[in-house]
Parts: sequence; C-alpha cells; structure tokens
Amino acid sequence: DGGITQSPKYLFRKEGQNVTLSCEQNLNHDAMYWYRQDPGQGLRLIYYSQIVNDFQKGDIAEGYSVSREKKESFPLTVTSAQKNPTAFYLCAIGGRGLPGNQPQHFGDGTRLSIL
Amino acid sequence: GQQVMQIPQYQHVQEGEDFTTYCNSSTTLSNIQWYKQRPGGHPVFLIQLVKSGEVKKQKRLTFQFGEAKKNSSLHITATQTTDVGTYFCAGRNRDDKIIFGKGTRLHILP
Repeated sequence: DGGITQSPKYLFRKEGQNVTLSCEQNLNHDAMYWYRQDPGQGLRLIYYSQIVNDFQKGDIAEGYSVSREKKESFPLTVTSAQKNPTAFYLCAIGGRGLPGNQPQHFGDGTRLSIL
Repeated sequence: GQQVMQIPQYQHVQEGEDFTTYCNSSTTLSNIQWYKQRPGGHPVFLIQLVKSGEVKKQKRLTFQFGEAKKNSSLHITATQTTDVGTYFCAGRNRDDKIIFGKGTRLHILP
C-alpha cells in the first residue's frame, strides 16, 4: 500500500546474527503491527504498537524485538534467539485500537532467509 | 488454542465459474475481516463484518457473517483471471485477539 515502506525486500541472515527489518509509514496512523507468514500459512502477530514508546507482544514474540521511538517507524529485529527465522515478514498499519478492530493495510513485506 | 479454520485450502475453477471459501471458528467472533493476497504480494483488506447475519456485496463478491458469529463465507460470482490469489479471513475473538485463517488459494483455469 502507498505510504508504508518496508525494506529491504530480501534479506539473508547468517547463523548467530541479528538483523533489523525496517517499516516506515507517512500516513499518520497510530497503530503499527508486525506479522510473520510461513508458506501455506496464515499471518501470525509478532508485536504491535498503538502509540509511540509503547508496544505489546503478539502471539510469537520470542526471538524478536521492536522499538517505537517515532510514530513513523516501527523496526523489527530478528535476534539470533529466533531459531527458525526464514519467513515473509509483513508490517501493517491501522487506526488506534486493537488489531482486530481496524482494517489493516500492509507493506510489501521482507523475505528473510538463512544462509 | 482457538483456531479459525478456512476451507478449502486450494480451489481450481474454470474462468466464469463461481467460487466460495468458508471460515469457521470454534468460538464466537466479535468481527471478521477478509483479505486478498495476490501471488508474491501482500494482503489487501477487502471488508469487515460485524453484525450477526450480515451480508455485504462488492461487485461480484458477496460476504456473509453467520447468525452465531462463528462462521463466514466469501462467494465470488463468475470468476475472472484477476481473482487469482489467496483469500484470508481474520476473526477477532472475545480476548480481542485477531486470528488469521490459513487462507484459500484460488487458481483460475482459462
């Protein structure tokens, strides 16, 4: 969707390495979300943030970390503790409120692979 | 844990035929959203249903929310090649968690 920028589009991680995925939005939305999508699977919520300097764990937060220092930015770090990081990572934005209350608009995603 | 089951997992239809995907939850949902994801793309929001028994239409697409708010369906009339993709439902449960179904992948045969 226009206004949500995820980078990079493809990312490769070495064993034991932390990597950070970028998500930026210029639509002035309060809420931002990170999802993980595995082949043939639905989306699983990693973290979400409804306001600057605050974020909540989703269903699969272990091995991931986030920050929300600016309204426009919600980077996701995949740490070395995440043993199976290969997946398609999607950032989404929505109005303030819990994820299920508002329609979500997704970025183009980042495909992360293990080297 | 609570699941939102979506069937079928795959569907092949001839162009011009109808298509339906079903979403079933083990518990009552507060609302349900539908998304479409084109191959290689990202999910795009289609619609949200909130009321028991609600029916909404978008051109050839008809969305229904069951009376018990535990199931939903998406029906496409006279499919076109542009309908190719994976259709996901996402339900919000009473714990305010959103749970995505695994999606139905639609293939259109010319």
